[in-house]
Amino acid sequence: DTEVTQTPKHLVMGMTNKKSLKCEQHMGHRAMYWYKQKAKKPPELMFVYSYEKLSINESVPSRFSPECPNSSLLNLHLHALQPEDSALYLCASSQPDGNTEAFFGQGTRLTVV
Amino acid sequence: AQSVSQHNHHVILSEAASLELGCNYSYGGTVNLFWYVQYPGQHLQLLLKYFSGDPLVKGIKGFEAEFIKSKFSFNLRKPSVQWSDTAEYFCAVNPYSSASKIIFGSGTRLSIRP
Repeated sequence: DTEVTQTPKHLVMGMTNKKSLKCEQHMGHRAMYWYKQKAKKPPELMFVYSYEKLSINESVPSRFSPECPNSSLLNLHLHALQPEDSALYLCASSQPDGNTEAFFGQGTRLTVV
Repeated sequence: AQSVSQHNHHVILSEAASLELGCNYSYGGTVNLFWYVQYPGQHLQLLLKYFSGDPLVKGIKGFEAEFIKSKFSFNLRKPSVQWSDTAEYFCAVNPYSSASKIIFGSGTRLSIRP
């Protein structure tokens, strides 16, 4: 199984809502990532978890809160988002030593209204 | 500043034409290099990767890339493109000093005329 599964595929939320994005992988990878991709732009790294600990936070606003409950799951909790946060949110996983490629999920298309 | 540069933003080719997409990076030291492809409506997929060894690497779907250390480049090539190669292509770097931090270039949109 070389899949990274993200749910939901689409999400529309208001600026006062609280929602969560979920990501799951069963490849035994111990690094998991959140990326944000705006239209016609490259993915931008947000967070990296390595061995279930947050290792990189690319100065992401606190309205985005990641969580890694176990080695297979990664969540992104959303609260009080802005319309400019609308984007495709991608989850990825890899081994944490840098010597493997990352596998990407299909993403959650988020629209903030 | 450390970065990954893709100078071709949009490339338009006819079927059977040869392709070369440029990628340069500015990280010092050892890096791992990747080309990912994003077909319309699909997730990012790995085309090929370079970690060490032979600087000419072959990937899926007839793509290859050459790592030239002295030029900090990792250009993607395909001798004869097909309409199905229409996609967005991203060069990416994982600097050894920042294991598990994959940084993407700005991407090149490839359009193939049938």
